[in-house]
Amino acid sequence: SQQGEEDPQALSIQEGENATMNCSYKTSINNLQWYRQNSGRGLVHLILIRSNEREKHSGRLRVTLDTSKKSSSLLITASRAADTASYFCATEFTGANNLFFGTGTRLTVIP
Amino acid sequence: ETGVTQTPRHLVMGMTNKKSLKCEQHLGHNAMYWYKQSAKKPLELMFVYSLEERVENNSVPSRFSPECPNSSHLFLHLHTLQPEDSALYLCASSQDLQRGTDTQYFGPGTRLTVL
Repeated sequence: SQQGEEDPQALSIQEGENATMNCSYKTSINNLQWYRQNSGRGLVHLILIRSNEREKHSGRLRVTLDTSKKSSSLLITASRAADTASYFCATEFTGANNLFFGTGTRLTVIP
Repeated sequence: ETGVTQTPRHLVMGMTNKKSLKCEQHLGHNAMYWYKQSAKKPLELMFVYSLEERVENNSVPSRFSPECPNSSHLFLHLHTLQPEDSALYLCASSQDLQRGTDTQYFGPGTRLTVL
């Protein structure tokens, strides 16, 4: 399978804590993207990290990429109840013309 | 709002019905996608269109028939579906086919239930 695999499948934390989600993949990539999905809705793009980048920030989001380990992590700092959603990593593999999504991490932030 | 709309938002149909899902993007993008999302499964890419030409068909059963009359509109025609086809169907668009920098913009989805 070319899809990324997120870990853990589900995560429950208290508001104010940090949340870390991981993604692993199997072949060379051009970029890796993280998306968020509120229950029953469409996905919303959060951040894109290219294969030659190691870390990227956007507001309370921090994404790292380790191409030697074929893995990425998404850190959400100072979580809020409104961060409750599913988070997906999507990989664009070298030579492909579409993204491959995993099954997602379901994050629950308890107020 | 992401600039991608889908109608209807909910659809219940029998196995002998024929229905169509509609997607419209207002972003001036050249590529459009249909995905199927079932519980506890990865998002499943069904069809990819670039400049109104189908460039990918991921072994989707013929009971699903896509149509892209122009770069802003994408349809998914459904006929003689099975209960296992019940899922959330998502439409997405991107500026062009993935080039290493493109992100995809998703519609809110159509929740399909096949009885």
